[in-house]
Amino acid sequence: GAGVSQSPRYKVAKRGQDVALRCDPISGHVSLFWYQQALGQGPEFLTYFQNEAQLDKSGLPSDRFFAERPEGSVSTLKIQRTQQEDSAVYLCASSLGLSRAGANVLTFGAGSRLTVL
Amino acid sequence: AQKVTQAQTEISVVEKEDVTLDCVYETRDTTYYLFWYKQPPSGELVFLIRRNSFDEQNEISGRYSWNFQKSTSSFNFTITASQVVDSAVYFCALSEAITGGGNKLTFGTGTQLKVEL
Repeated sequence: GAGVSQSPRYKVAKRGQDVALRCDPISGHVSLFWYQQALGQGPEFLTYFQNEAQLDKSGLPSDRFFAERPEGSVSTLKIQRTQQEDSAVYLCASSLGLSRAGANVLTFGAGSRLTVL
Repeated sequence: AQKVTQAQTEISVVEKEDVTLDCVYETRDTTYYLFWYKQPPSGELVFLIRRNSFDEQNEISGRYSWNFQKSTSSFNFTITASQVVDSAVYFCALSEAITGGGNKLTFGTGTQLKVEL
């Protein structure tokens, strides 16, 4: 597609429920990233995929968070047993991944806003 | 550890005024990249500029200009003759190369710019 598409745009979950957030990156983009943005804060890195391989998951806050990209395109971020502190906007970004490491320009989606009651 | 500081939480200006958004960063890397992104109310982060650590020339793009000073670890952003459409949150980010050729962005907390008529 023309841009990075995320769904759902808004999700309200009761504490303890599982949620799944979807990201459809720009076609042909090798690299895919998930970021978490709390209210009034900058985005914080969660995890990174190169094609289907998850190369860095150092930012995932707990083992309740799980991300996958099984065919190297669409990615899903799953949060199990949601807690109130999980409330945030979850941003997905993709890049061609061909530039020198560190130089890649990330294209972001509009995000999925998760509210946990 | 990498760190980006945007000390200005919120700035309000009247249309046509010039405004400068400050960004100070910390890194131990000798090669790094700096970015500015704009986040309008729609939520999508929009790429504005990328600058590598070896290029200290100032850059101008229309009403936007950037001043990179390695000696003070600053990468400031100036909007000349501001317009209402410039109202958004602006993020400065520092890139760190990670495994596999990707890059992890460390964002500042953002500066909310409000341009009023």
